[in-house]
Amino acid sequence: QITLKESGPTLVKPTQTLTLTCTFSGFSLNTNGVAVGWIRQPPGKALEWLALIYWDDDQRFSPSLKARLTITKDTSRNQVVLTMTNMDPVDTATYYCVHRGRFQEFDYWGQGTLVTVSS
Amino acid sequence: QSVLTQPPSVSGAPGQGVTISCTGSSSNIGAVYDVHWYQQLPGTAPKVLIYGNNYRPSGVPDRFSGSKSGTSASLAITGLQAEDEADYYCQSYDSSLSGWVFGGGTKLTVL
Repeated sequence: QITLKESGPTLVKPTQTLTLTCTFSGFSLNTNGVAVGWIRQPPGKALEWLALIYWDDDQRFSPSLKARLTITKDTSRNQVVLTMTNMDPVDTATYYCVHRGRFQEFDYWGQGTLVTVSS
Repeated sequence: QSVLTQPPSVSGAPGQGVTISCTGSSSNIGAVYDVHWYQQLPGTAPKVLIYGNNYRPSGVPDRFSGSKSGTSASLAITGLQAEDEADYYCQSYDSSLSGWVFGGGTKLTVL
């Protein structure tokens, strides 16, 4: 059974760097084809894909946020870490960790973690 | 502004059917990429409703179906039930952006 869970701060100040950790189980990021990503959703707004990392360490980023994002994996700990620099109040959102399925869908989601950016 | 375009809201009476459209372009839906649909109940994470244009994960009722034609896709829901009231999102991959894209979401109200 695949599960994912996000962890990190609930409140960050403007200009700070956000670091979120996704801890997963039920699959290995060492397996060919596997990928884990991050998606966010501002309150009352739509979903937005942010970043994704593959089993072979290939990384993809949303073009509009690429300059601010870093994604890394620790296969020994079954974790994926997302960092976003220069946080702004518009970055206030629920951040989800997701497993990418065979058809390029996101077939498993974490429960999400709400991050508020405020001074 | 989302890459994929959905109507903001649709509604229908219990037992009736509704269709939610998702319009893209030649770099996403109109290319070789599949369309997927998610249902998001209030206060919960989205879950896959339809993947690969028209496949249902186990546990999803056959009242839900998906289709794709040209640069558009649709989610059809028949026999509406109160529990179907939720936000629905379409998603695909975009070759121009080299990334995954979503629609703006559609709020389904069961009257």
